[in-house]
Amino acid sequence: QVQLVESGGGVVQPGRSLRLSCAASGFSFSAYGVHWVRQAPGKGLEWVALISYDGSNKHYADSVKGRFTISRDNSKNTLYLQMNSLRPEDTAVYYCAKDKSRFCSGGGCYGGEDYWGQGTLVTVSS
Amino acid sequence: EIVMTQSPATLSVSPGERVTLSCRASESVNFNLAWFQQKPGQPPRLLIYGAFSRATGIPARFSGSGSGTEFTLTISSLQSEDFAVYFCQHYNNWPPYTFGQGTKLEIK
Repeated sequence: QVQLVESGGGVVQPGRSLRLSCAASGFSFSAYGVHWVRQAPGKGLEWVALISYDGSNKHYADSVKGRFTISRDNSKNTLYLQMNSLRPEDTAVYYCAKDKSRFCSGGGCYGGEDYWGQGTLVTVSS
Repeated sequence: EIVMTQSPATLSVSPGERVTLSCRASESVNFNLAWFQQKPGQPPRLLIYGAFSRATGIPARFSGSGSGTEFTLTISSLQSEDFAVYFCQHYNNWPPYTFGQGTKLEIK
C-alpha cells in the first residue's frame, strides 16, 4: 500500500536551515507529483510546495518562495524540502502528500493530494 | 491566489443527524475541489475529489456537490467517528492550492 514517511524535523534557531525528507513506497513514485503541506500547532492546513513527477516543474506558496526548495530523487523514491532562513512562523508539522494525477507537469492536470504521510514537526525557536 | 472560505467554523450536532458543510471559492475552480477529514494527531484523509467523487474506502454517507465557487459536503447520518475537522481545498489550474480554514464538527 502507499506509504509516505517524513523525517528530518526538529528544533532549529531562527535564520538556520533544515532539510526534510519523505520516503515513498507502494506506488510508482516517479510517475506522480508530490506536495508539501504544513500545519502550525492548532491551526489549519497550508499548502507549501509541489514538484512534478519528473522534477521539471516546481511551485511554491508566497510565504516560502525564495527560502524553501523542493526536490526529488526518483532513483531513491525520496522527496526533499530544503528550508533556509527559517522563521518562528515556519513552526509546523510538515506533511508530504502524493498527487492523484500521473505524469502531470502543468497547470490544470494536477489532481490534489490523495495519500499523506504522518508528518514531521519543525520548531523554529531560539 | 484563490481564497477558500468555509462555514460554519464550528458545528454542534448529534449522532444520526444530517449535516451540510459549505465551502466557497473567491473565483471559479470548476470541479477541482477536494474535501479532507482530519482527526487529532492524524494527517488529513481524502474524502471527496473532483467536487463529488468519493475517495477509495470512503462510506456512502459522505457526499459532495457543487461547482464553480460554491461547494457542499453532506454527511447523511453522523457516526461517532465522523466528529473531526473538515477542510476543503481547490486544485484548479496552477498552484497555490489553497485550503479553507476548516469546519469542526463537535458532539452536541
